Amino acid sequence: AQSVTQPDIHITVSEGASLELRCNYSYGATPYLFWYVQSPGQGLQLLLKYFSGDTLVQGIKGFEAEFKRSQSSFNLRKPSVHWSDAAEYFCAVGALGNTPLVFGKGTRLSVIA
Amino acid sequence: DAGVIQSPRHEVTEMGQEVTLRCKPISGHNSLFWYRQTMMRGLELLIYFNNNVPIDDSGMPEDRFSAKMPNASFSTLKIQPSEPRDSAVYFCASSSRGNGELFFGEGSRLTVL
Repeated sequence: AQSVTQPDIHITVSEGASLELRCNYSYGATPYLFWYVQSPGQGLQLLLKYFSGDTLVQGIKGFEAEFKRSQSSFNLRKPSVHWSDAAEYFCAVGALGNTPLVFGKGTRLSVIA
Repeated sequence: DAGVIQSPRHEVTEMGQEVTLRCKPISGHNSLFWYRQTMMRGLELLIYFNNNVPIDDSGMPEDRFSAKMPNASFSTLKIQPSEPRDSAVYFCASSSRGNGELFFGEGSRLTVL
């Protein structure tokens, strides 16, 4: 069965510091991997996605993620966090075709001055 | 282009009442998904449709829940009778690209007293 684990429930970083959010997945075939961001009271917005090819993918707002098949991981990174990045971040796994995504429980990011 | 539109954004009702949540997917998208978000369980898939046909409703918690998609531009999720444990944010998402990328509405926050 497909599953996604985000081991960190809550992370606090200082503004300007680097960020890495962890994501591990379990999937029987080649996964399609996603990171979404959710601001309070809002829906989920796609940050970036990985389907195939280059394992380092760039997204919006300066985020990037690296797919490591050997570790079943798809960690999200940002070199310098801004206060506006405070939000909930969700990792998700899916498959080819119009099928549902399976989401992790999310990591809440707080940014302090 | 308009995104996924959900209504109402907020609903407060009393236990035992019927609740109907509505969703208008992005024009041209042929898959529609209903998710429920709670603190305890995160994002859970309730049901999804391809080309207006329900494909998997195994996530629908009980017979009190039902969903319809009478045409490509409209879907409803109904809870009858509602219970306090149904309190959650209900998201609708649509997709068309065959790659799993979902576009989310802003959600309907349901509170059952």
